[in-house]
Amino acid sequence: DTAVSQTPKYLVTQMGNDKSIKCEQNLGHDTMYWYKQDSKKFLKIMFSYNNKELIINETVPNRFSPKSPDKAHLNLHINSLELGDSAVYFCASSPAAANYGYTFGSGTRLTVV
Amino acid sequence: GESVGLHLPTLSVQEGDNSIINCAYSNSASDYFIWYKQESGKGPQFIIDIRSNMDKRQGQRVTVLLNKTVKHLSLQIAATQPGDSAVYFCAEDGGSNYKLTFGKGTLLTVNP
Repeated sequence: DTAVSQTPKYLVTQMGNDKSIKCEQNLGHDTMYWYKQDSKKFLKIMFSYNNKELIINETVPNRFSPKSPDKAHLNLHINSLELGDSAVYFCASSPAAANYGYTFGSGTRLTVV
Repeated sequence: GESVGLHLPTLSVQEGDNSIINCAYSNSASDYFIWYKQESGKGPQFIIDIRSNMDKRQGQRVTVLLNKTVKHLSLQIAATQPGDSAVYFCAEDGGSNYKLTFGKGTLLTVNP
């Protein structure tokens, strides 16, 4: 069983489209995260949720809207995709706080053309 | 703002040698530090962590050293193997309960 699973693994889409990435964790963790990894491998936090509540929004454009229907799921919807949104997006979860370490998903490579 | 950084973006070693990957941090509020390994096409994978009340922690073939005086973190890998080739990230909590801030990453290449 995959601990943190993301779908899809690859996503190619045109500028202006709207797309969603799904994430589910079966670890019973309370906190979930979205990170963006750019072409230089830099990992930057986008959002963190604790028990379905938004805790951190790191100045992400409001075209990005996370949704957490329950604490095992954190989905990411992106409106009006732009070329600069091309990146690898990672979902992660942690038991409670971040200072217990994250478990990452395998990533979603988003390419906007 | 405060950030975590790495001294070396790339490191090339011979198989069997020991590897040392360094990381400088500047947020004095950080209490928790962690190293991740990311292989090509995969998500980051936990290696080892350390809290600020310790200065050394050992795992299987890996050791993390924390020097709070100079705000420096290092990862030592003993008897490096080809399977250790990956990008290594340090991360810190920056005093936050709900996020880890990652450094830039070091690409480790192990030559047979």
